[in-house]
Amino acid sequence: EIVLTQSPGTLSLSPGERATLSCRASQSVRNNYLGWYQQKPGQAPRLLIYGSSTRATGIPDRFSGRGSGTDFTLTISRLEPEDSAVYYCQQYGSSPWTFGQGTKVEIK
Amino acid sequence: QVQLQESGPGVVRPSETLSLTCSVSGASISSSYWSWIRQTPGKGLEWIGYIHYTGSTDYNPSLRSRVTISTDASKKHFSLSLSSMTAADTAVYYCARHDADVSATGTGWFFDLWGRGILVTVSS
Repeated sequence: EIVLTQSPGTLSLSPGERATLSCRASQSVRNNYLGWYQQKPGQAPRLLIYGSSTRATGIPDRFSGRGSGTDFTLTISRLEPEDSAVYYCQQYGSSPWTFGQGTKVEIK
Repeated sequence: QVQLQESGPGVVRPSETLSLTCSVSGASISSSYWSWIRQTPGKGLEWIGYIHYTGSTDYNPSLRSRVTISTDASKKHFSLSLSSMTAADTAVYYCARHDADVSATGTGWFFDLWGRGILVTVSS
């Protein structure tokens, strides 16, 4: 199975700053089938990005994804207070589908 | 508006079988793949398995010997059965819908909609 490793574990940034989250796969993700999800306390994960770089419906353009093969990045260009959450990457190129362990974004 | 809602017991005894149902409103199961996913503090998010409206299934090898996912004739619900429950199976269980990511060389199925989740505790 593909193991996804996210870094850093926690990001603590101020509103308006840029957040860069990394997701590294143990082997190449087929067709860059890589998604990003946002999870707030007590809520289910919400899809942000699929196909490495395509924003899901209704997701603000301050969220962007890029990457291919084994290295992927989620960028939040201008942090807002409501972006405080845990962010997970997930690959759906090979079964079993797997998730990273998450990066927590804290807003100062 | 499509919504998913998990239902089932909040507590299961060790060695028993967990049965959960996901009710789908605003859409038919005859439209995609549908999965169960669980979340624990220790292991994070773990995909359990999916069912396609044709009845085909796939399960995570780590759970395959204990899992069955099924749907009913109404195509408004799909269910999870997980046998031989232990404390390690204590988790929030989510059902989720898949959407297609179509490329020139194939199709991938990401999770585009999730239920709110149900906490299941294994305890005697």
